[in-house]
Amino acid sequence: NAGVTQTPKFRVLKTGQSMTLLCAQDMNHEYMYWYRQDPGMGLRLIHYSVGEGTTAKGEVPDGYNVSRLKKQNFLLGLESAAPSQTSVYFCASRPRTGDSQPQHFGDGTRLSIL
Amino acid sequence: SQQGEEDPQALSIQEGENATMNCSYKTSINNLQWYRQNSGRGLVHLILIRSNEREKHSGRLRVTLDTSKKSSSLLITASRAADTASYFCATAGGTASKLTFGTGTRLQVTL
Repeated sequence: NAGVTQTPKFRVLKTGQSMTLLCAQDMNHEYMYWYRQDPGMGLRLIHYSVGEGTTAKGEVPDGYNVSRLKKQNFLLGLESAAPSQTSVYFCASRPRTGDSQPQHFGDGTRLSIL
Repeated sequence: SQQGEEDPQALSIQEGENATMNCSYKTSINNLQWYRQNSGRGLVHLILIRSNEREKHSGRLRVTLDTSKKSSSLLITASRAADTASYFCATAGGTASKLTFGTGTRLQVTL
């Protein structure tokens, strides 16, 4: 029972490099979300998706792009990494129906940009 | 900007004591949720309270919600060392059931 799986778990990048973070869920959830968590702060929403082929901006979308080509996968891309993007990134998913459904989280990707 | 502020930022208690943490938010909500985060892990859902509910229980957890004051509290009774974690409130409202998180309370339970 994998739930939400994020890869990689850790990564170090140099400024200007690009990379893609992968989120995969096996619960057939329609909604998926990408958050970042910085020290002493709660999670902030970067982008989200309500279904395959659709994405939308969250609270802090600048510098990130996303894609949802398959229902089970949600990709977060950094085209030109900046030190300000050093953070822990969390992916979450939930079903579309039922307003009392919680979000299910992965264990995060710890990203350092030098 | 963060929706919720949590108080206290950190709390240290002994095993067996009760822990209370508070959350304030700014706008109208559909529901309010509490999550736990163990060090180095993702968030785990604990309990959800709807906007038309005032109190909810789940095991050793009790959550209250006061929509007139835009505040909620989480009480953990008879705490255990395994309760050591960060606790976050999150408000749900608007489209796609998006959550807006508070800044969290770090709870340390010592033996």
